[in-house]
Amino acid sequence: DTAVSQTPKYLVTQMGNDKSIKCEQNLGHDTMYWYKQDSKKFLKIMFSYNNKELIINETVPNRFSPKSPDKAHLNLHINSLELGDSAVYFCASGGQKNTEAFFGQGTRLTVV
Amino acid sequence: GNSVTQMEGPVTLSEEAFLTINCTYTATGYPSLFWYVQYPGEGLQLLLKATKADDKGSNKGFEATYRKETTSFHLEKGSVQVSDSAVYFCAAGGTSYGKLTFGQGTILTVHP
Repeated sequence: DTAVSQTPKYLVTQMGNDKSIKCEQNLGHDTMYWYKQDSKKFLKIMFSYNNKELIINETVPNRFSPKSPDKAHLNLHINSLELGDSAVYFCASGGQKNTEAFFGQGTRLTVV
Repeated sequence: GNSVTQMEGPVTLSEEAFLTINCTYTATGYPSLFWYVQYPGEGLQLLLKATKADDKGSNKGFEATYRKETTSFHLEKGSVQVSDSAVYFCAAGGTSYGKLTFGQGTILTVHP
């Protein structure tokens, strides 16, 4: 019974393509996030949604567009993929302020 | 906003050695503090947490104490095992809809 699940786990695609990553949480949390982890393991927040409303957008290129159809889902669509987009993308969800977040297993995106 | 600084890695130890990974934070107010662990190919898992000054979080033999006077939350384990090899992240809770601020991560490798 996975708490935060994201698909796919691996994604290999060519430059210029458009791709989506899906995320779902069954924890009843109001807030969901997308993080990007680079090859040096550094984690950087990209977006945060609270009750389907965009709260945080951390200077991410507008090729990245999050979509939250309901508070249990936060998908990430990426247009015109570039080599530099290769990374591991993590979805997470959290409850109230100042509490922990729960992470999905990650999606390893490789752009060739 | 908050910031978190971890000791530089990677850290390499022999089995049964003592482990310390330093973590300091800067924040307005008193954030909750967390240690997450990321095993190879997996997502982040919460290892332990502390919500106020002088609290000690502990789990799986790991411990960390919330030190307000030194703004620190160092991770310790008395005797590491090969299975502890992973990336460890220190994080501070946020007032902005639960946004966590992560340190840069410390790669730990334990040899038999």
